[in-house]
Amino acid sequence: EVVLTQSPDFQSVTPKEKVTITCRASQSIGSSLHWYQQKPDQSPKLLIKYASQSISGVPSRFSGSGSGTDFTLTINSLEAEDAATYYCHQSNSLHTFGQGTKLEIK
Amino acid sequence: QLQLQESGPGLVKPSETLSLTCTVSGGSISSSSYYWGWIRQPPGKGLEWIGNIYYSGRTYYNPSLKSRVTISVDTSKNQFSLKLSSVTAADTAVYYCARHDSSGYYCLDYWGQGTLVTVSS
Repeated sequence: EVVLTQSPDFQSVTPKEKVTITCRASQSIGSSLHWYQQKPDQSPKLLIKYASQSISGVPSRFSGSGSGTDFTLTINSLEAEDAATYYCHQSNSLHTFGQGTKLEIK
Repeated sequence: QLQLQESGPGLVKPSETLSLTCTVSGGSISSSSYYWGWIRQPPGKGLEWIGNIYYSGRTYYNPSLKSRVTISVDTSKNQFSLKLSSVTAADTAVYYCARHDSSGYYCLDYWGQGTLVTVSS
């Protein structure tokens, strides 16, 4: 099983700040890594697919990078509405999720 | 616009079988481009992939749940279903159905709203 480890688990940030969330895989998964945003009492929403490919309708401040075992989700100029939990997901070998990173806006 | 809707009992007794159905509207479940999956989330915890199915009936399961899980598809009704046997309190969770997009490297691009299933006597 591919284990995904996200860091940090929790981050408190101020609006307009730049945020970086990392996801490390226990083995190489190429670029088969996707990112989701989940707000309280909502379903997860796809933000980035295949490590760095943007999704229609997702604000351009969200971007992804990485390959192999190390991946990054970057949120430029954070907005209050970005308060949520973020998950990475690998689809290279069946499917697993990271444990989540909760983002709090100060 | 594609929509997925989970349905089924919200309360299941321990040792019994949890059964949920996902109805797909706004698109065909028989499209060759997609798999259809189940994901769950225990209260206050993270996401766990349960398994998925192709319209032909081909399935893939989470190894940790494989012995208890059956996913099936009914293309005539545009639905797919989940059965989880011998449930315990640890199976209490919000259960989501979602679409895996094969052109998107099997990302989950559409999700249902989720349904809470509680395992309790």
